Amino acid sequence: EDQVTQSPEALRLQEGESSSLNCSYTVSGLRGLFWYRQDPGKGPEFLFTLYSAGEEKEKERLKATLTKKESFLHITAPKPEDSATYLCAVQGWREYGNKLVFGAGTILRVKS
Amino acid sequence: GAVVSQHPSWVICKSGTSVKIECRSLDFQATTMFWYRQFPKQSLMLMATSNEGSKATYEQGVEKDKFLINHASLTLSTLTVTSAHPEDSSFYICSASAGRYQETQYFGPGTRLLVL
Repeated sequence: EDQVTQSPEALRLQEGESSSLNCSYTVSGLRGLFWYRQDPGKGPEFLFTLYSAGEEKEKERLKATLTKKESFLHITAPKPEDSATYLCAVQGWREYGNKLVFGAGTILRVKS
Repeated sequence: GAVVSQHPSWVICKSGTSVKIECRSLDFQATTMFWYRQFPKQSLMLMATSNEGSKATYEQGVEKDKFLINHASLTLSTLTVTSAHPEDSSFYICSASAGRYQETQYFGPGTRLLVL
């Protein structure tokens, strides 16, 4: 069974204090690993898709990396507006179609 | 691009009534649409997957007669909660993807349902 574990559950940072969120996964053949951001009371917002180990993608203060067992979401010099829940999800070849298996998320709070 | 809308954004209804939620892909054709349910402080729980023109595939434990899904066109899917009860109160979110394989899902803003 495909599984995704995110850590930490919650993270408090001071503005400008860089850090990383972890997403560990087990999947029978990775088709894609996805990062989303979710604000309270809203649907998830797509951030990145990673397909193979060694791949990296960047967007503003965020950088996502992928290995064969985990992905990291690095946040450089975060700002209060980066506060949100960050969700990691995987698509495996076992599942027909493009069903996603989500982790529980990491709640990020950035204080000014 | 890749914008998905949902309507209504929130709804309050009496127990026993039915509620329909619409999910639309605004700037792309969605071959596949998904319906999720999210409880407070929990992650998303997939309810069903629907491909345009086909019957929806429901996840284990989801009552198909309770949650009716129709995906009649490449831009519209609907979820009808039939004979809603207070335990059906939740945050319902749809997503859409342009393909059936290795395709990013784009999510709608969600619909909050409160059944009194």
